[in-house]
Amino acid sequence: AQKVTQAQTEISVVEKEDVTLDCVYETRDTTYYLFWYKQPPSGELVFLIRRNSFDEQNEISGRYSWNFQKSTSSFNFTITASQVVDSAVYFCALGQPGWGAQKLVFGQGTRLTINP
Amino acid sequence: DAGVTQSPTHLIKTRGQQVTLRCSPKSGHDTVSWYQQALGQGPQFIFQYYEEEERQRGNFPDRFSGHQFPNYSSELNVNALLLGDSALYLCASSFGGLPLHFGNGTRLTVT
Repeated sequence: AQKVTQAQTEISVVEKEDVTLDCVYETRDTTYYLFWYKQPPSGELVFLIRRNSFDEQNEISGRYSWNFQKSTSSFNFTITASQVVDSAVYFCALGQPGWGAQKLVFGQGTRLTINP
Repeated sequence: DAGVTQSPTHLIKTRGQQVTLRCSPKSGHDTVSWYQQALGQGPQFIFQYYEEEERQRGNFPDRFSGHQFPNYSSELNVNALLLGDSALYLCASSFGGLPLHFGNGTRLTVT
């Protein structure tokens, strides 16, 4: 069975601090995708990144960076110099190629609050 | 370019009633999936529609059913509503599989 665990339920930091959101996943598949989504108060899930299981390179996009480590089944997300607009609930998710791409398994989410 | 649109935004129903939620996919998308998100939880996959047929289904009872129309829009129907069906229902669309684009959701409250 597939499972995603986000152990941090809530994180609160002061603006400009760096913050890392943890994600640990379980799957027996050799090919899979990992995702991060952001959910602001409006409710819409905003896609942030997709990572293929064969690509363990870290990725940086502006203030966002992702660290994928298959050895520890982790896909952590770091926000550098956090801003108030980063406040949201963040979800890590796991999916399979093909039809399984629609059937994402989400973690419980981490509520991130950035205080001014 | 409109994204995924869902209606209504909010809905209040009584236990035992039936409800229909609607979703229009992002322009150019042909696949629609539905997710249920209980308060404080991550979304859970209900089912997926492609070419007007249900292609995959999550662990939800038959009270949850759906439909996809020729224009790719979709409906989610829930019969015999239970208090536990209260949740945010999210519709997602895609073309060629990835990534999913989500709508703002319909907040269903069952009293």
